Amino acid sequence: QLQLQESGPGLVKPSETLSLTCTVSSGSISISHYYWGWIRQPPGKGPEWIGNIYYTGSTHYNPSLKSRVTMSVDTSKNQFSLKLTSVTAADTAVYYCARWGLHNVFDIWGQGTVVAVSS
Amino acid sequence: DIQMAQSPSSLSASVGDRVTLTCRASQNISDYLNWYQQRPGKAPRVVIFATSNLESGVPVRFSGTGSGTHFTLTISSLQPEDYATYYCQQSYAIPRTFGQGTKLDIK
Repeated sequence: QLQLQESGPGLVKPSETLSLTCTVSSGSISISHYYWGWIRQPPGKGPEWIGNIYYTGSTHYNPSLKSRVTMSVDTSKNQFSLKLTSVTAADTAVYYCARWGLHNVFDIWGQGTVVAVSS
Repeated sequence: DIQMAQSPSSLSASVGDRVTLTCRASQNISDYLNWYQQRPGKAPRVVIFATSNLESGVPVRFSGTGSGTHFTLTISSLQPEDYATYYCQQSYAIPRTFGQGTKLDIK
């Protein structure tokens, strides 16, 4: 069964860049009609969609984060990545990667990784 | 952005109860509405997609209805494993947006 796993630093300093990678296992990232996404969830709040990427590299970003977000994909490693620049405490959250499936829904999720922004 | 408003924000109910959660969109989203269940410390998991379609493996006691701007998720007979927070999410437009959740706990 397809699995996703986030990885990256759990602590980032203010004004620096948050970098996370999602590794897809037991399935290919290079599959038609599926996008791969990042979602974050600040403590005690609802999820916030960050963006989606297709295996070709085509992206859709949340306009509220677009100026600071870059997503990329590495099909040879079956991974996709997130970079968020100029972070502040407001970027502290659990970050999830997920698959955006055929039914326009996030149908498979990683377990999530906690990222704290603090000096 | 399309705003998603969920009510109530929290709900206490007993095992065996029938409960209905509500989600309202700030504009017409047709049937592009998904429901997720999130247990503490876990990732969300989809329970209903496209308003009324049960995700594979989800018990049939879950059902969804609605269209346009008003949607509901009903659990026909609450089980202990159903106590969680439920989020609605619209897939009609970018940015994809979620509601703030309804926390369902034991009465």
